[in-house]
Amino acid sequence: TQLLEQSPQFLSIQEGENLTVYCNSSSVFSSLQWYRQEPGEGPVLLVTVVTGGEVKKLKRLTFQFGDARKDSSLHITAAQTGDTGLYLCGVDSSYKLIFGSGTRLLVRP
Amino acid sequence: EAQVTQNPRYLITVTGKKLTVTCSQNMNHEYMSWYRQDPGLGLRQIYYSMNVEVTDKGDVPEGYKVSRKEKRNFPLILESPSPNQTSLYFCASSFRGLTEAFFGQGTRLTVV
Repeated sequence: TQLLEQSPQFLSIQEGENLTVYCNSSSVFSSLQWYRQEPGEGPVLLVTVVTGGEVKKLKRLTFQFGDARKDSSLHITAAQTGDTGLYLCGVDSSYKLIFGSGTRLLVRP
Repeated sequence: EAQVTQNPRYLITVTGKKLTVTCSQNMNHEYMSWYRQDPGLGLRQIYYSMNVEVTDKGDVPEGYKVSRKEKRNFPLILESPSPNQTSLYFCASSFRGLTEAFFGQGTRLTVV
């Protein structure tokens, strides 16, 4: 059983559409990170959420940490082709940075 | 420019031939770690290091060794590579614990 479950696994949408991806767990975390990985590159940190209920915005991306600090969501408004990539959530678990298996997003022009 | 540098980017080798993948960071980070990324399995941690001369196993350490003699370098050593170690490898470093990691560009290893 994975510590972090991400859904959906794959998402293909048209440019301009909105979307939400999820990162869920039965465990409570002190913080959670979201990364984006483009083909052939390493993951790049987008945001860290720390407080239960916290909402952070990064241009068209909105990140939310669940009230109980067990889950998080990433909402993209008016997706662009440049948003294509693998979105990973990650948490620190006993000095190990654990990742979900990711949501692979394809934004079609 | 702050970065994590891995070498080589691509490597094809034969079973049993020892190899080392180097990793260097210029951010004076205390924490460094290695991951492998496989389709359907995501990123899995191989080894991590909390400081010089302090290393510990991650989730998939079998067949790998690491060393941390200097703060900036954290090489990954495969003493006797096998085909099941064919994967995409990433090195990462971070300032606070193991969160907010900065990743290298990856090393695609093929063992035949």
